Amino acid sequence: GENVEQHPSTLSVQEGDSAVIKCTYSDSASNYFPWYKQELGKGPQLIIDIRSNVGEKKDQRIAVTLNKTAKHFSLHITETQPEDSAVYFCAASRGDYKLSFGAGTTVTVRA
Amino acid sequence: SAVISQKPSRDICQRGTSLTIQCQVDSQVTMMFWYRQQPGQSLTLIATANQGSEATYESGFVIDKFPISRPNLTFSTLTVSNMSPEDSSIYLCSVEPGAGDTQYFGPGTRLTVL
Repeated sequence: GENVEQHPSTLSVQEGDSAVIKCTYSDSASNYFPWYKQELGKGPQLIIDIRSNVGEKKDQRIAVTLNKTAKHFSLHITETQPEDSAVYFCAASRGDYKLSFGAGTTVTVRA
Repeated sequence: SAVISQKPSRDICQRGTSLTIQCQVDSQVTMMFWYRQQPGQSLTLIATANQGSEATYESGFVIDKFPISRPNLTFSTLTVSNMSPEDSSIYLCSVEPGAGDTQYFGPGTRLTVL
């Protein structure tokens, strides 16, 4: 099955700086890559996703890039704010509705 | 997207008992899923809840331990049976409203087994 690796496991950034989280996947048939943000005591919230026919997608301060050849994708958060502090999960799917999740990255934004 | 609610939001249960978790969606959806998130861990798919037929379980999960019902297109239940402390986790339902793999999650049920 699909194996998704996520790095780093923890990330501490100064408010206003950028944060980057990277994921690699093993199944070349994977074609859908969502990112979720999970705040303490809440369920995961979809923040952005990308499909394999697109190399980059942006939504305000959040962007995702995909390199199909290298089988990795990354989340970029610019101008970080304290409310960006959360656990972020990447995931991959080959179009069969089954999401394989990375281990998660705990992001702390220091004021 | 979809608005998803779960009941209960949290519970503390005794070993050997069972707990049924409910998931309600504000619109009809074809695909509903149940996930487990062990403390400090990632999400693991337990099963796909199929309307009108038996759920499809992932490797390592069995119907006797996690029976699932899906009586209609807006509701599903997951039962955690004969609980042990190892079942202490967050249980999450998610839905795929037909937008091509995009899944939305409920708030989760935080279960502690003593």
